[in-house]
Amino acid sequence: DVKVTQSSRYLVKRTGEKVFLECVQDMDHENMFWYRQDPGLGLRLIYFSYDVKMKEKGDIPEGYSVSREKKERFSLILESASTNQTSMYLCASSLEGQDNSPLHFGNGTRLTVT
Amino acid sequence: AQSVAQPEDQVNVAEGNPLTVKCTYSVSGNPYLFWYVQYPNRGLQFLLKYITGDNLVKGSYGFEAEFNKSQTSFHLKKPSALVSDSALYFCAVRDQGSARQLTFGSGTQLTVLP
Repeated sequence: DVKVTQSSRYLVKRTGEKVFLECVQDMDHENMFWYRQDPGLGLRLIYFSYDVKMKEKGDIPEGYSVSREKKERFSLILESASTNQTSMYLCASSLEGQDNSPLHFGNGTRLTVT
Repeated sequence: AQSVAQPEDQVNVAEGNPLTVKCTYSVSGNPYLFWYVQYPNRGLQFLLKYITGDNLVKGSYGFEAEFNKSQTSFHLKKPSALVSDSALYFCAVRDQGSARQLTFGSGTQLTVLP
């Protein structure tokens, strides 16, 4: 079974801090994704990656960056955290080459920026 | 552009009764359609998908969904609801051939009353 692990369940950071959210998957999936989940808005795609050292912007990339140095690890970076980035962050992975491959999600990181 | 709508924020149903969670979509081509479920403090779990073929799709935990092209709908159904089905349900769509990513709906909170 695919396991997607997000390193922190809860994080509290101060405005202006640099924040790293880490995600690791154990099934050799090529595709990895970062979403944020907010009530009433569903999931919105921040960034995604189809390969090591490759990244593409999603629908709401502003204020975020990502890093994928190894296939199994995909990091989300908040360069200077702001209160409007308080949210639930979800990492996901899927197989490449299968357009209808389901996403496998981690349990999420609830980030609070004060 | 692709979009998906879940018109009900909340659905309540009595245990043992049939349940329906509604989803409508908009794509320019043919859709891939998905349902995911999220239990409290967890990530999303894949339930079922429609790719092509039979309009009635069966998935995990006794759920099924009916693809209706003329009504551009993909409603999630279960003949007999369980209290343990109470969760947040998300519909997602991807336009075959023109979109690389899923678009998620805003989610529907299902509560099954004992």
